[in-house]
Amino acid sequence: KNEVEQSPQNLTAQEGEFITINCSYSVGISALHWLQQHPGGGIVSLFMLSSGKKKHGRLIATINIQEKHSSLHITASHPRDSAVYICAVQNSGGSNYKLTFGKGTLLTVNP
Amino acid sequence: KAGVTQTPRYLIKTRGQQVTLSCSPISGHRSVSWYQQTPGQGLQFLFEYFSETQRNKGNFPGRFSGRQFSNSRSEMNVSTLELGDSALYLCASSLTGGSYNSPLHFGNGTRLTVT
Repeated sequence: KNEVEQSPQNLTAQEGEFITINCSYSVGISALHWLQQHPGGGIVSLFMLSSGKKKHGRLIATINIQEKHSSLHITASHPRDSAVYICAVQNSGGSNYKLTFGKGTLLTVNP
Repeated sequence: KAGVTQTPRYLIKTRGQQVTLSCSPISGHRSVSWYQQTPGQGLQFLFEYFSETQRNKGNFPGRFSGRQFSNSRSEMNVSTLELGDSALYLCASSLTGGSYNSPLHFGNGTRLTVT
C-alpha cells in the first residue's frame, strides 16, 4: 500500500462544477503539499499546510491530522483548472525534509 | 524576482554515459531539492541540500549524486546511465526547506532521454 493515496485518479467535470480531490496518508507528517502540474511539466505549489484550512481564490485545502486525510476543493471550476493535482507529504522526525508523493489526479474541466 | 532555472531543458544520452544537470534557485533560497518523475513511478524524492550539505536522500542508487555550491546553485549527476533513468528531473528551492512557512518553488525540469 502506498504511503500516499489520492482519489480519484481521473476526474472530468463541466465548467462551474465544485470539485473535490482527496488525499490519504499513512505516516506521520510535518506538512502536506498540494501541487498543480500542467502539460509540459511545470509544477506550481498551491498550498502547504499542517492543520486546518487554507483558501486562495477558488481553491480551498483542508487537512485532518487525526484522520490522516486532506482534501483540495475547487469552486466554480474553469477549463484552465485542467491539470494534474498532486498531494505530497513531508515526513516528520529529525530529518524532516523528505517528500512522498501521491500518483496524482488528472482533472479535465470541459467548457 | 527570477524563478528557479534548470538547464538544460532537454538532454539525450547513451546508456553508460554520465550526465550533469544544473539548478539555480530563487535568490535568497538556501534549500534545493531534486525529484525524478516517470510515468510509472510518478514523482520521487532524490535528495535535498541546504547550505552546501546534503540533509536528506531518497531511495536511489549511488549512481545518483548531487552537490550544492556556496551561491546555493545545485547540480545533480547520474553516472553509468541506464534506460530506466529516462525521466523528467525537477528541482525545487525554498527559503529553509522543511519549515512550515517555506513553500517550494519548482523549476521547469530537465527531460532526460537515455538511448
